[in-house]
Amino acid sequence: GQNIDQPTEMTATEGAIVQINCTYQTSGFNGLFWYQQHAGEAPTFLSYNVLDGLEEKGRFSSFLSRSKGYSYLLLKELQMKDSASYLCAVRDRDYKLSFGAGTTVTVRA
Amino acid sequence: IAGITQAPTSQILAAGRRMTLRCTQDMRHNAMYWYRQDLGLGLRLIHYSNTAGTTGKGEVPDGYSVSRANTDDFPLTLASAVPSQTSVYFCASSKLAGGPDTQYFGPGTRLTVL
Repeated sequence: GQNIDQPTEMTATEGAIVQINCTYQTSGFNGLFWYQQHAGEAPTFLSYNVLDGLEEKGRFSSFLSRSKGYSYLLLKELQMKDSASYLCAVRDRDYKLSFGAGTTVTVRA
Repeated sequence: IAGITQAPTSQILAAGRRMTLRCTQDMRHNAMYWYRQDLGLGLRLIHYSNTAGTTGKGEVPDGYSVSRANTDDFPLTLASAVPSQTSVYFCASSKLAGGPDTQYFGPGTRLTVL
């Protein structure tokens, strides 16, 4: 099974940078995902890491260290529309995802 | 249809009643999943199907059943609903073809069991 931890809430100012950390313990690692979920909506895919290092996609970047069981999602140049929950998910060797409880990010003007 | 649809959008149900949540995808994805999402607990896998004709149990399968008669549809049935099954239910699908194999989520069904 998987044990996935991420902070419950974070607040940041518009235009700033926020880093959301995720730690995990896994019985069979096969990739880490970040999803964004706006209130009342479905989760949508943001990023995927399977090898160590940084993956950059526009204003969003995700980092993975498999040896440390650690990932972070970096949101740059924050916009009001980035206010949402961010879900860290670990995939096992059977291609099933286990999700953390999510981090609610509030962007203030 | 584009992507994944779920029905109903929301439902209030008396305890003890039977309920089927519907999920249909038009992406010809091999795998489909049912999750429930509860405050503070995140998304938890109920059941999954890697291909038509097969199903498997997830983390919280008790009280739920699924079937996968064809590629597109994956209904979730609550045989006798209980208040602890009050939740938001999301259906998802993926190609199950290696690599990122992103899961795509439906809009969700908000279920209240009284």
